[in-house]
Amino acid sequence: DAKTTQPTSMDCAEGRAANLPCNHSTISGNEYVYWYRQIHSQGPQYIIHGLKNNETNEMASLIITEDRKSSTLILPHATLRDTAVYYCIVLGGNKLVFGAGTILRVKS
Amino acid sequence: NAGVMQNPRHLVRRRGQEARLRCSPMKGHSHVYWYRQLPEEGLKFMVYLQKENIIDESGMPKERFSAEFPKEGPSILRIQQVVRGDSAAYFCASSLNPAAGETQYFGPGTRLLVL
Repeated sequence: DAKTTQPTSMDCAEGRAANLPCNHSTISGNEYVYWYRQIHSQGPQYIIHGLKNNETNEMASLIITEDRKSSTLILPHATLRDTAVYYCIVLGGNKLVFGAGTILRVKS
Repeated sequence: NAGVMQNPRHLVRRRGQEARLRCSPMKGHSHVYWYRQLPEEGLKFMVYLQKENIIDESGMPKERFSAEFPKEGPSILRIQQVVRGDSAAYFCASSLNPAAGETQYFGPGTRLLVL
């Protein structure tokens, strides 16, 4: 599975968009980009995933560059409850390989 | 549609005892994964099972740990003769059809504390 690189932490003002970047320059053609988050010590929560095209659901949008070497998760209107560790994962096989993720702090 | 269920949510064991962690996947899901999160660390894959079969156990410690997913009933992660280093959060995830890129959904986890 391809390795991902994410910033260690980010701050975002409540109500503003949170843009979380992820680099995955070694991604293969059949590997998906997945985003999960973990709030405090709860179970990881699935957010969104994509292969080539940009994706949007009720939680977030995922923008994948044309060369697929990087992506951005967008939380359009961050709330205090979005404070969590966000994991960008490239999945080509059966297991999710979690890195350190990005600690997103949403501040009022 | 209930999500992934895990029980117990908290488990306390003394060194040398056995710990049994149970995971009921989402309805219709026949693929189960176990992950472990040690204190202040990230989640690490342990084992992947599909009904009655272990598909990938590359992340499982070679001794004391075993997993099963019987035809009927929940998946069980069993840790024999627990040691303090086994204290961690154990998360289970399930998916419908990973070959088709189906998502893994996680349960709330079992926090194991070994005294």
